[in-house]
Amino acid sequence: DVKVTQSSRYLVKRTGEKVFLECVQDMDHENMFWYRQDPGLGLRLIYFSYDVKMKEKGDIPEGYSVSREKKERFSLILESASTNQTSMYLCASRGQGGSYEQYFGPGTRLTVT
Amino acid sequence: AQKVTQAQTEISVVEKEDVTLDCVYETRDTTYYLFWYKQPPSGELVFLIRRNSFDEQNEISGRYSWNFQKSTSSFNFTITASQVVDSAVYFCALNRRGSTLGRLYFGRGTQLTVWP
Repeated sequence: DVKVTQSSRYLVKRTGEKVFLECVQDMDHENMFWYRQDPGLGLRLIYFSYDVKMKEKGDIPEGYSVSREKKERFSLILESASTNQTSMYLCASRGQGGSYEQYFGPGTRLTVT
Repeated sequence: AQKVTQAQTEISVVEKEDVTLDCVYETRDTTYYLFWYKQPPSGELVFLIRRNSFDEQNEISGRYSWNFQKSTSSFNFTITASQVVDSAVYFCALNRRGSTLGRLYFGRGTQLTVWP
């Protein structure tokens, strides 16, 4: 079974802090994704990566950056957290070709105060 | 552009009722995949089904069934004899077939509550 893990289930940070959200997958997947989920807005894509050190902006990249130094790990960085970044963050991974479904981690609920 | 619409924000039913979750999509592509995911209260999205645009056969898996109609750009999901454990947020999503990046376009989700 594919396993996608995220470093924290719940996180509370202060405005202005630098925040790191970590995601690790164990299936040697090339593609990894970061989404945020807000009530009534569904899942919105922040960034994705199709290879080590490669990244592409999604629909809402402002205020975020990402890092992929190893194939299995994809980090989301909030350079200076703000209250409007309080949200549920979901990481996903997917292999190349074949079936197209993404596999999701359990999510990190981030609160910025 | 790709777009997925789930017009039902919330649905409440009583156990054993049948319930249908609607999904309408927009794409100019002729080849694409459609998906349904379930997000229980624990938060993790669980993959339920994938359907490619060339296969309009309906699919049944236990109490779950899916009705794909290209003519109306719809991919509806029916739960028969609903149970309390079916309570979750359900997302419909679209992927452009052949897209190596595998980006999914999600609808906003439907919150299903099944009361005992």
